[in-house]
Amino acid sequence: KQEVTQIPAALSVPEGENLVLNCSFTDSAIYNLQWFRQDPGKGLTSLLLIQSSQREQTSGRLNASLDKSSGRSTLYIAASQPGDSATYLCAAMKAAGNKLTFGGGTRVLVKP
Amino acid sequence: DGGITQSPKYLFRKEGQNVTLSCEQNLNHDAMYWYRQDPGQGLRLIYYSQIVNDFQKGDIAEGYSVSREKKESFPLTVTSAQKNPTAFYLCASSHPEVRQLAMNTEAFFGQGTRLTVV
Repeated sequence: KQEVTQIPAALSVPEGENLVLNCSFTDSAIYNLQWFRQDPGKGLTSLLLIQSSQREQTSGRLNASLDKSSGRSTLYIAASQPGDSATYLCAAMKAAGNKLTFGGGTRVLVKP
Repeated sequence: DGGITQSPKYLFRKEGQNVTLSCEQNLNHDAMYWYRQDPGQGLRLIYYSQIVNDFQKGDIAEGYSVSREKKESFPLTVTSAQKNPTAFYLCASSHPEVRQLAMNTEAFFGQGTRLTVV
């Protein structure tokens, strides 16, 4: 059974610092890995999707990498801003069945 | 606008009542999902459906039921058998598999329904 872990559970940084968020998964047979942002009391907003054949994806200040052999994905957010404060979740999609298994999330606070 | 709509945003249930949460999508996605989120925790899969008239149990299906009579709709019923239903419920949709190279399997979520037992 796939298990997805995100460490640390919470992170606080000063504005302008780069953010590095970690996601690890136990079963490397994934179809893709997706990063989401969640604001308090809201649904999930998709940030980046990395297909299993890809090594990384970029969108603006966000860059996500995927290393299936080590079971890790990393989300980098450059030059953090207070508006980046949110919970970030990663989810691995099973190769068959299409189920998304989520990590517990990393709660990020960017201090002005 | 294309997207996923969940209603209501807030729902209150009395002990012993069944309640139904609505989820509608106009993204032409075949696959739809229901997740439950408890405070400070990740999402747990309740049920998912890859095609109309078919659905499978997720990790925590006990006390819940679903139907998938239309591609656009995947309602979730929280029955009285669910002992601890107070939670935030999230619906999602995606394509279940890549049939064409241009199609991706990105999942999109609704804004959630917060269910409280009173």
